[in-house]
Amino acid sequence: QVELVESGGGVVQPGRSLRLSCEASTFTFNNYHMNWVRQAPGKGLEWVTFISNDGNNKYYAASVKGRFNVSRDNSKSMMYLRMNSLTSEDTAVYYCARGGPRAELNWYFDLWGRGTLVSVSS
Amino acid sequence: DIQMTQSPSVLSASVGDRVTITCRASQSISTWLAWYQQKPGSAPKLLIYKASSLAGGVPPRFSGSGSGTEFTLTISSLQPDDFATFYCHQYNTYPWTFGQGTKVEVK
Repeated sequence: QVELVESGGGVVQPGRSLRLSCEASTFTFNNYHMNWVRQAPGKGLEWVTFISNDGNNKYYAASVKGRFNVSRDNSKSMMYLRMNSLTSEDTAVYYCARGGPRAELNWYFDLWGRGTLVSVSS
Repeated sequence: DIQMTQSPSVLSASVGDRVTITCRASQSISTWLAWYQQKPGSAPKLLIYKASSLAGGVPPRFSGSGSGTEFTLTISSLQPDDFATFYCHQYNTYPWTFGQGTKVEVK
């Protein structure tokens, strides 16, 4: 079925790096913009980053700009999130979420993965 | 950034109740608003998009309304499966932002 599956989470020390992956299946991945959304334990949802369907446009939340980098490999139906200089404030469940089709930038998240937990702790 | 403010933060209700949640935007977002339902340990699920359009597979007891800065999510008759946390989300302007959430709990 149509789904997104995240991986790569775990426990990491402050200041270190981690790369998350999101694998898409059963839809035409290169037709859709994609996002990462995170949720700290017991807190609400926070949009993190957007990448356009062709990978040419990227936007970031101020809280991660300059530290996180989003990328995608359409040949593998994969999206990635490289997270550098991690702090305890980055501890959260990270969800990948599908955005709009290629012509639509203003779009909601109609498909979510189950999330992967990132815990930043010494 | 556009601030999204939901009210109430917690809502106590019984099965069969009509429930209304409000979301206010700090500036106009036209109808670029979505609502999600999230249960503990699960990913959010899309309920409503473009302020009032029902997502596929969502029961018609859920409805959304509003435009500009004031929006509402209404559950016409609360069912046992509806106890959860609900979030509004504006996708008018980056950075996209969410409301803080409204937890609907058993009265």
